[in-house]
Amino acid sequence: EVQLLESGGGLVQPGGSLRLSCAASGFTFNSYAVSWVRQAPGKGLQWVSAISDTGRNTYYADSVRGRFTISRDNSMNTVFLQMKSLRAEDTAVYYCAKSPMTVVRGLSRNYHGMDVWGQGTTVTVSS
Amino acid sequence: DIEMTQSPSSLSASVGDSVTITCRASQTISNYLNWYQQTPGKAPKLLISGTSILQSGVPSRFSGSGSGTEFTLTITSLQVEDLASYYCQQGYITPLTFGGGTKVEIK
Repeated sequence: EVQLLESGGGLVQPGGSLRLSCAASGFTFNSYAVSWVRQAPGKGLQWVSAISDTGRNTYYADSVRGRFTISRDNSMNTVFLQMKSLRAEDTAVYYCAKSPMTVVRGLSRNYHGMDVWGQGTTVTVSS
Repeated sequence: DIEMTQSPSSLSASVGDSVTITCRASQTISNYLNWYQQTPGKAPKLLISGTSILQSGVPSRFSGSGSGTEFTLTITSLQVEDLASYYCQQGYITPLTFGGGTKVEIK
């Protein structure tokens, strides 16, 4: 069964750090990009970051660039999201999603959507 | 960044009705448009990719169309299990962006 499983969420104070993990199974992990998408309480979906299949290319939303770092370990079939300088507005459910990306005219594009999602892990930033 | 605008933000319809959700991009995205369904308390589920490609297992009452900057998701013969929020997402360029969502309620 194709599956993604997030972990690492929790309660953290403003300015603190947290590392999320996304463990994959059931597919050839090192052939696919992976994204993190978050959803604040009662709000819509917000794409946060993505990493290419090899880990060579990383992408970030402006709201997290410089504070969050995405990485992957293909030997462990796992993607990580290191979050630093956390703010109240980072409070959300964080999902990882398999996000096939292809390079077209030098730009990475996501034609096939995010076709596998984890169940999410909750991050709460509060004092 | 490409802004995705969905309308309406919510709608209420009866079982058997046909409903249409519109998604507009702030610049052309060719056909790099994906649709998701999120039922309460669950993770999003990919319904349609590449504007009109129905994902395996998704009922044929769901369909997508459009190109450039304007896209639609149509649900023909609405069912009770279609109660959910629906999101569009552009995959044309990073940062990837989602529409604000449309909440579908059953009358």
